[in-house]
Amino acid sequence: GEDVEQSLFLSVREGDSSVINCTYTDSSSTYLYWYKQEPGAGLQLLTYIFSNMDMKQDQRLTVLLNKKDKHLSLRIADTQTGDSAIYFCAESSNFGNEKLTFGTGTRLTIIP
Amino acid sequence: GAGVSQTPSNKVTEKGKYVELRCDPISGHTALYWYRQSLGQGPEFLIYFQGTGAADDSGLPNDRFFAVRPEGSVSTLKIQRTERGDSAVYLCASSLGDRDGGELFFGEGSRLTVL
Repeated sequence: GEDVEQSLFLSVREGDSSVINCTYTDSSSTYLYWYKQEPGAGLQLLTYIFSNMDMKQDQRLTVLLNKKDKHLSLRIADTQTGDSAIYFCAESSNFGNEKLTFGTGTRLTIIP
Repeated sequence: GAGVSQTPSNKVTEKGKYVELRCDPISGHTALYWYRQSLGQGPEFLIYFQGTGAADDSGLPNDRFFAVRPEGSVSTLKIQRTERGDSAVYLCASSLGDRDGGELFFGEGSRLTVL
């Protein structure tokens, strides 16, 4: 079946860039997503990328997709304390209209 | 607010008991999803409704789990004869349900603890 993998932890100094990586196995993945989960809050969609794109930028967020290697990354520029959270990579075949397969999540810790 | 609402937020029960978890989706959203998130894991898909019908229930782990959405709005996830391994946060999400137009909006989840 589909598998999505992420490293579990990342620590970054405030003001530096954070890069969170994800690999997936399903070659039919059409949409790839990044979700943010803060304590006591629901999962929040940060951004997504369609599989025919290789980059998407949205303010401080940059998503890079290497479809050949099935590798997705999320770069957060100028990381702030409010960026502390767990970040989940996910994939699906249809945007929002089918089940998502999530990774295990990467806990981002900001060092003051 | 007008987000996805889940009740109860916390439920503690004893092994073998029956549990119901409720989800109120965003008004007008035709698609509704249930996911389960165990400690230290990402959410795992359980079931997806389009309207009143279950379009995909392939993620339900066994026949102790059942979900309904009788009027195409509120959904209830039902777990019979609970086991300690059922302990997790159960997440509900809803979307507009249109192909290629349906961002998922998640609730805060119902944390189930089976003693």
